[in-house]
Amino acid sequence: GAVVSQHPSRVICKSGTSVKIECRSLDFQATTMFWYRQFPKKSLMLMATSNEGSKATYEQGVEKDKFLINHASLTLSTLTVTSAHPEDSSFYICSAREGADSNQPQHFGDGTRLSIL
Amino acid sequence: QQQVKQSPQSLIVQKGGISIINCAYENTAFDYFPWYQQFPGKGPALLIAIRPDVSEKKEGRFTISFNKSAKQFSLHIMDSQPGDSATYFCAASRGQFYFGTGTSLTVIP
Repeated sequence: GAVVSQHPSRVICKSGTSVKIECRSLDFQATTMFWYRQFPKKSLMLMATSNEGSKATYEQGVEKDKFLINHASLTLSTLTVTSAHPEDSSFYICSAREGADSNQPQHFGDGTRLSIL
Repeated sequence: QQQVKQSPQSLIVQKGGISIINCAYENTAFDYFPWYQQFPGKGPALLIAIRPDVSEKKEGRFTISFNKSAKQFSLHIMDSQPGDSATYFCAASRGQFYFGTGTSLTVIP
């Protein structure tokens, strides 16, 4: 099956640090990748949609200068949380969609637990 | 506005019983309805999905029932096992996925 690898799985860093999270589709090409944020015992909140070779589309309320997304290849998207603060602590999950059909399933990574001290 | 409403929030089922989780949606343009299973500390994994041209889809112990006129769909887990204990999310899609709020399922031995 389609595998999405997310790295790192856990990050603990000081306030003010920038953190980069990688999302890779290992066995398929992903034209579109998605970044979600999940709070404890809550649903997934879509932050942005990332299309290979173009600018990401951010959801309302998500600061694009805070959460930088790069999707430079068909197998890699990165999310950089710039100047992270304790309120940015959360579980960040990426997903990748296989194929051009907008209703193909999304395959999720295992998430990154970000803790800002 | 919650595009997809999911219930119950939590569910406790005896081993061997049937677990039923329900979802409802408003937007008739949705044309893809997946269910995801998530274990603690992991990302969601696709369990089963259905398109609105069929009323039921079965894969092993997992069945989706789809009622297009009522704009509802449900996940049935037959012969529930302790290993099924997880959080389940329904979603509806028209390109972008809209997730339900999740159901925490506990299967007790």
